[in-house]
Amino acid sequence: ILNVEQSPQSLHVQEGDSTNFTCSFPSSNFYALHWYRWETAKSPEALFVMTLNGDEKKKGRISATLNTKEGYSYLYIKGSQPEDSATYLCACPYGGATNKLIFGTGTLLAVQP
Amino acid sequence: DGGITQSPKYLFRKEGQNVTLSCEQNLNHDAMYWYRQDPGQGLRLIYYSQIVNDFQKGDIAEGYSVSREKKESFPLTVTSAQKNPTAFYLCASSLQGYEQYFGPGTRLTVT
Repeated sequence: ILNVEQSPQSLHVQEGDSTNFTCSFPSSNFYALHWYRWETAKSPEALFVMTLNGDEKKKGRISATLNTKEGYSYLYIKGSQPEDSATYLCACPYGGATNKLIFGTGTLLAVQP
Repeated sequence: DGGITQSPKYLFRKEGQNVTLSCEQNLNHDAMYWYRQDPGQGLRLIYYSQIVNDFQKGDIAEGYSVSREKKESFPLTVTSAQKNPTAFYLCASSLQGYEQYFGPGTRLTVT
């Protein structure tokens, strides 16, 4: 089973700050990298699925980059808002199965108004 | 509206009893999944199914069983053999190889 690690474990920022966090994964046998946002009392929601080295995806103020050679992805939030407060999870398929994901433990983001 | 439903939201059982958690989706997804979340840990895969009448064990399948008789439904049974069943359980579905859509979860407490 591969190991997916996220850092930091938690982050507290002020409204308007930009922030970023990291997902690390083994670079061998890479297939895809998923990012999800999980707000309290809601279901996890997919943000991005990234597959190509150098890929950059954007959704509103949130963007992500992917480096498959060195095994990391960054998630950036520009001008954080209180509604961005959530746990951000990354996950990778493993075991030769594209649907079988292993998740990191997440980064908990708290944005203070 | 399309989506995934899980019921009930909260479930309480006595130790030694089997309990079945419901998961239904109307997204026409072939693949469905069951995850478990414990404090301080990432989501861990219990079972997944890529097609009707087929399912595979995930990382922590011991003490659990599933069935996939219909495309829309993927119930999870927590048996008395599961040593530590109290947890939050999430069901998800997806098209093959694409992002997963999650249900609202069921919090199971066994005393």
